[in-house]
Amino acid sequence: SQTIHQWPATLVQPVGSPLSLECTVEGTSNPNLYWYRQAAGRGLQLLFYSIGIGQISSEVPQNLSASRPQDRQFILSSKKLLLSDSGFYLCAWSGDRVNYGYTFGSGTRLTVV
Amino acid sequence: AQSVTQLDSQVPVFEEAPVELRCNYSSSVSVYLFWYVQYPNQGLQLLLKYLSGSTLVKGINGFEAEFNKSQTSFHLRKPSVHISDTAEYFCAVNRGGGFKTIFGAGTRLFVKA
Repeated sequence: SQTIHQWPATLVQPVGSPLSLECTVEGTSNPNLYWYRQAAGRGLQLLFYSIGIGQISSEVPQNLSASRPQDRQFILSSKKLLLSDSGFYLCAWSGDRVNYGYTFGSGTRLTVV
Repeated sequence: AQSVTQLDSQVPVFEEAPVELRCNYSSSVSVYLFWYVQYPNQGLQLLLKYLSGSTLVKGINGFEAEFNKSQTSFHLRKPSVHISDTAEYFCAVNRGGGFKTIFGAGTRLFVKA
C-alpha cells in the first residue's frame, strides 16, 4: 500500500535560518507531489506542485523553494526564514488521476521565532 | 478563477444531533468535489468525493454530501454525530482533473456531550 512520510513533525527555527522539510512516498511511482501551507482560519494554500523529477511549479512567489531530486522525494527549502513562514506544512501526493483525491502526510508545524 | 467558500467557520452541535456543513464553489467548467477531515495536528484525510453520476455521495464515518449543480453547492451531512467527529472539515474543488485543487478555509465542528 502507498504511504507518505513527512518530517520533522515540529520545528522551531530562528528568523534568518535555513529550512529543509522532506517528504517521501512509498508504494507508488511517478506520483504528483504537492506542498501546502495551512494558516489558522485560512485553509490550505498551495505552494508548489511537481509532476515529475526536476519539474516544479510554484504557485506563490515567496522566499520558499521546492525540489524533487528523486521520483518519490519532495523537499521544501528556504535560505532565510521569515516570521511569516510560520505555519503547518503539508505534503500530499496523487496518482495520475488527480480526481481520485490526495493523500496527505502528517504535517510539519514550523514556528519561526 | 475558481474558489471555494465554506459558509460557517465553526459549527457547534450536540452529540447524536444531525449536522450540515455548507460549501459553495465557483467554476464555469466541470469540477470534481471533495471533503476532507483533519484531526488536531494531523494531515487531512479524504472523506468523500464527487466525480460524476449520482449527486448523493456517501463517504466514510457515516458522512454524505450532495452535489447541486444549479446552486454550485456540495454540502456535507451526517444524521447523527459523535464526539469523535470533532475536527476541522475542508471542502475542495478540482477543475476538470487539473493539477491544482483549491481548498476552502475549513469548518470546525464541535460535538458536545
